[in-house]
Parts: sequence; C-alpha cells; structure tokens
Amino acid sequence: QITLKESGPTLVKPTQTLTLTCTFSGFSLSTSGVGVGWIRQPPGKALEWLAHIYWTDDKRYSPSLQSRITITKDTSKNQVVFKMTNMDPVDAGTYYCARTYLYGDLVWGTGTTVTVAS
Amino acid sequence: NFMLTQPHSVSESPGKTVTISCTGSGGSIASNYVQWYQQRPGSVPTTVIYEDHDRPSGVPDRFSGSIDSSSNSASLTISGLKTEDEADYYCQSYDTRDHVVFGGGTKLTVL
Repeated sequence: QITLKESGPTLVKPTQTLTLTCTFSGFSLSTSGVGVGWIRQPPGKALEWLAHIYWTDDKRYSPSLQSRITITKDTSKNQVVFKMTNMDPVDAGTYYCARTYLYGDLVWGTGTTVTVAS
Repeated sequence: NFMLTQPHSVSESPGKTVTISCTGSGGSIASNYVQWYQQRPGSVPTTVIYEDHDRPSGVPDRFSGSIDSSSNSASLTISGLKTEDEADYYCQSYDTRDHVVFGGGTKLTVL
C-alpha cells in the first residue's frame, strides 16, 4: 500500500522560507520510473503543480516559481523535502505531495494546510 | 508551453450523461497519458481515469475517458449521473519537459 504524508509548519510569516517534508511508504524513489512532486491548492482555487523529483535525481520546477523553490530527496529515509522562499499571503493553501510512475496518475498525500500571516 | 483548458462549470440532471472536455494547447494531447481526478469539497483528489481511459478498481463503469487527436482534447464522460458525482474534476498530463500539467478544473453540479 502506497502512502504519503506531508509535514511542516501550519503558519509561516511573510518573507520566511517554507519547508515541507513528504514521508512516504510502499515504494522507493530509487525505482526506475518513480517520481515525487508537490502540488498546492489555494482556498477555493485550482490545483497548481510546483515541483517534481525523479528517481534519477532529475528535478523539474514550475516556470513561474522556479526562482523560489527547491526539491530534494533522501532515498534512505523515504523523504522528499520542498522549500519555498519569500512566502507571501497568496502562497497560502493546501500543499500536497504525490507519487508518479511512468507518466501515469498521481497518488496523493493527505495534504497540509499552510497559512501565511504575521 | 503545454496547457490544458477545461470549462469552468457544467451541470446536468440525475440519471443523465455529462461530458467534460480538456483541450490541449502548445502541444499534442496524445503525446502523454491524460488522467482525471475527482475532488469533493474538503477532500484529497482521487483518480477516476488514468492513462487516457483506464479506471482504477472501485471506480464505477459510469466513468469513461477518451482522447480525440483531431481536436487535441480529452474527455471525461459520466453516465447515469448521481448526486454523489457532484465535485470538481481536473484533467492532468505531462509536457515534453516532464512537467506535470493540470487543467483549471470543472465544477460539476448535479441538479
């Protein structure tokens, strides 16, 4: 059974850096074809893909946010870490991590809600 | 840049059939698989169609997916509509740079 769970702060201040960790089980990020990504959803708005990391350690970023975000993996810990700098209230919402395999569907984590306020 | 465009909302009566479109631009929709997700309010998205037309176990066969290369679009069709089908639906695929691409979502109202 594949499970993913996001963890990190629920509240960050404007200009701070958000760091979220995705801890997963049921698969390995060293398996060919596997990727883990981050998606966010502001309240009442659409899903927005942010970043992805593949089993090769190749990384992909949303063009509109790539100057602010980084994604890394720790295969031995079954974790993927996402960082977004210079947080703003418009960055508030639910952040999901998700697994992909060979350009198929996303298997989603439960999501974590992030508020940006001073 | 490859983009997916969905209608903002659709509505239909219980028992009827509805089709939600997902039109690709900036690339061929047939180049990578298309997935469809259902998201009910306050819930995590779940897959209703993967790899263009396959259904995960547990998803009723009232849900079907298709690709039309001539119109560069994908479609999600739900037949025998039930009130429980009322949700937001998102199409998703990949672009040529291995970026994940989502459509803007379609709110389905069953009234």
